[in-house]
Amino acid sequence: DQQVKQNSPSLSVQEGRISILNCDYTNSMFDYFLWYKKYPAEGPTFLISISSIKDKNEDGRFTVFLNKSAKHLSLHIVPSQPGDSAVYFCAENSGGYQKVTFGTGTKLQVIP
Amino acid sequence: GAGVSQSPRYKVAKRGQDVALRCDPISGHVSLFWYQQALGQGPEFLTYFQNEAQLDKSGLPSDRFFAERPEGSVSTLKIQRTQQEDSAVYLCASSLILGPDTQYFGPGTRLTVL
Repeated sequence: DQQVKQNSPSLSVQEGRISILNCDYTNSMFDYFLWYKKYPAEGPTFLISISSIKDKNEDGRFTVFLNKSAKHLSLHIVPSQPGDSAVYFCAENSGGYQKVTFGTGTKLQVIP
Repeated sequence: GAGVSQSPRYKVAKRGQDVALRCDPISGHVSLFWYQQALGQGPEFLTYFQNEAQLDKSGLPSDRFFAERPEGSVSTLKIQRTQQEDSAVYLCASSLILGPDTQYFGPGTRLTVL
């Protein structure tokens, strides 16, 4: 049973607009939630994280929101740029030695 | 600066062949992970090393999969008697310190079993 779900396999957004990527989770015991970005033929790259005790974390154009009651996580990218076009993975970590559980990914296309 | 490197980048094997996939982590990184990414899926955890000790191999799908890191640096993932369902991208990640946001991933090895 998948613990992290990304229900939208793809998303297209106009350059300059906001991109919102969503993620739902089932296990309330996770300590950290993370977003990774992946370009073709490259490994995932860490983008931003949020501790389970917070509800928002911001880093430049990227903001992650955590709604624990809804078990929902979202990544906002504002403004979106063509270089943001990639696959984005939502992920969870339960502390310890950093084992990460990934979602299935959402492919974002930012149209110039 | 050297990141995590993996070789080969692409591997085609006939069903039943044995394969060995190599990971060179960032120098000095204590932790090393292997993940398997099937087409259209996210990476799935296979196994974890801290230095040369394999502390978790709960994600290895069968006893045909074997990983080692004998000197606490380079790691090899071996798959014996490959099957078509083993076709995937195999990702290696390493990290220096504890923390969920400190894993650096290699580019992966794409394994295709015919």
